[in-house]
Formats: sequence, C-alpha cells, structure tokens
Amino acid sequence: EPEVTQTPSHQVTQMGQEVILRCVPISNHLYFYWYRQILGQKVEFLVSFYNNEISEKSEIFDDQFSVERPDGSNFTLKIRSTKLEDSAMYFCASSDNQGYNQPQHFGDGTRLSIL
Amino acid sequence: RKEVEQDPGPFNVPEGATVAFNCTYSNSASQSFFWYRQDCRKEPKLLMSVYSSGNEDGRFTAQLNRASQYISLLIRDSKLSDSATYLCVVSLSHPGNTPLVFGKGTRLSVIA
Repeated sequence: EPEVTQTPSHQVTQMGQEVILRCVPISNHLYFYWYRQILGQKVEFLVSFYNNEISEKSEIFDDQFSVERPDGSNFTLKIRSTKLEDSAMYFCASSDNQGYNQPQHFGDGTRLSIL
Repeated sequence: RKEVEQDPGPFNVPEGATVAFNCTYSNSASQSFFWYRQDCRKEPKLLMSVYSSGNEDGRFTAQLNRASQYISLLIRDSKLSDSATYLCVVSLSHPGNTPLVFGKGTRLSVIA
C-alpha cells in the first residue's frame, strides 16, 4: 500500500536555528498538508498546499513557517528561528481530490525537539 | 467553544466487550467525517469514514446525526489490538481536501 514518508524521524535543534522537515506524499495525490501535535494535545492543522501554492493556513502558521515543493516528489516545511514551543510531532499528510469523503493519509511524523 | 468534543477517557474494557465512543462537532457546515486511531506517539491512521446513512466495517460501526451534530463509533468484540486513542475528525467540505479538525481523542485500553 502506498504511504507518506517523512524524514528525519527525530530532529534535535538549538533554539534560534532553522529546521527543514521533509515529506514524500503518495505519488498520485494532489493535496498536501502539515499538522503538528504538541505532546498530550490534539492534532492541529498548519497548512495545506495545492497546485504549487498554499490553499489554507492556520493562525499557527506565521512568518516563521514556510512550505515548498522543490521537485515532483518532496514537500518540505521550514521553520526559521525555532522556539522552545515549536517542540512537537509534525505530521505530513496527502489526499486525492477525487471522491466523496476522501481521507487524508498521514506520514509517521518527525519529532522535533528544540533545546 | 471546542470545535470537536469527545468523551473523556480512558475507557478500560475486557476483551470481547462492546464499547461506544461519542463525539459532537460545533460547525454545522462540516461535511466530511472520520474516525482515526492513534497509537502512542504514532501517526493518526484512518479507521473509517462516516456516512450519513451510517456504515459498518467488520466489528466497527459508525453513525452520524447531522441534526444533533453527533458522531458515534461502536466497537464490538474488543481485541487487545484495539487499544489506542480514537480520534473524531471533521472537515468542512467534500471531498475532504480541506483542513481536518481533530478532537482530542478518547483512549481505549482493552484488558485480557
């Protein structure tokens, strides 16, 4: 079964540094997403991406964050000048645009630890 | 007001038991509904989509009541492997390619 893959599985970074989280969505999917989950809290939407541009973003997704699809397979989330509160699991997801109730499929996440 | 609210957990049940989870959502414009399960420190995995007429997948049955903005999940004949956190998830539009809004989840522990 095709799956979303994310790298790295765990990233440890000093506060103030930049991080790039990488994702390879399912190959025939057209919609891509980033979510985060702070330990013990619910999964929260960050941003969605379609046709090489951001479709929607949450209030969490401020100027510190950016997304990019640098080639035909990768989808990246960049966090500039990381803060302690950015420590969380970051999940990439993708979905097809066909069909009713088409679900989003999640990668196994990157655990980001800011020191 | 929380967008998606779920039963507080944890639910501790013996193997073979039937367990039901409830969920309410606040946005009446919600159009797509799902149950995901999440194992400890893992990604959410789709359990099933929820359709207006209700739907069943093996031991799992989901119901939707749009008038009450209420979603349920019934698990029959619980297995040890069903132990996980069950996430109620909604989104605003078909075909579900808009942001998912997650509940905080209800933790289930199935005990031998």
